[in-house]
Amino acid sequence: GIQVEQSPPDLILQEGANSTLRCNFSDSVNNLQWFHQNPWGQLINLFYIPSGTKQNGRLSATTVATERYSLLYISSSQTTDSGVYFCAVERGPGNQFYFGTGTSLTVIP
Amino acid sequence: DSGVTQTPKHLITATGQRVTLRCSPRSGDLSVYWYQQSLDQGLQFLIQYYNGEERAKGNILERFSAQQFPDLHSELNLSSLELGDSALYFCASSLRLAGSQETQYFGPGTRLLVL
Repeated sequence: GIQVEQSPPDLILQEGANSTLRCNFSDSVNNLQWFHQNPWGQLINLFYIPSGTKQNGRLSATTVATERYSLLYISSSQTTDSGVYFCAVERGPGNQFYFGTGTSLTVIP
Repeated sequence: DSGVTQTPKHLITATGQRVTLRCSPRSGDLSVYWYQQSLDQGLQFLIQYYNGEERAKGNILERFSAQQFPDLHSELNLSSLELGDSALYFCASSLRLAGSQETQYFGPGTRLLVL
């Protein structure tokens, strides 16, 4: 299968700081998603981003498919941003999903 | 609230037993996905159904099986349970097939503990 690596594994930020999370993948993919799992375990899809850049409020993501990486930017972080951020890639045939090990983010007031 | 429901929320059972996890997708969603999250394996994709048909298979053990019914709800059956099957099992749904940039909406998960 495809390898998906995320960095850093852990991140502690002061509220208001900016951060960049990285996802590297080992082969070409059909699609890429970013998810956030809050401290209560709920998973939320943040972005579908096979290539290019997307923005949603304080979050934005960029995927450079030719270089096999994606970046998730969090600006002006808030305590509600705490949780684990997962990157998942989708690869055919059969559109299987492969997850990274996640980046655990803690935002301190 | 994502609109995806999963039952039960918690399940405690013994090794060798069989359990069924249930998922009801959001109204109108045709695709259902099952995922397993454990401490040692992380998040793993198990299987995907679209409108009643299996469409993608991931790291699903032979002891596990799933189906999607005509009313689009799905069940994940886990049999001959082992300690290592203890995990959080998520269901997600989306309107169409993966790859069409459809957002997946996740249920709250079923926490399975095998003793």
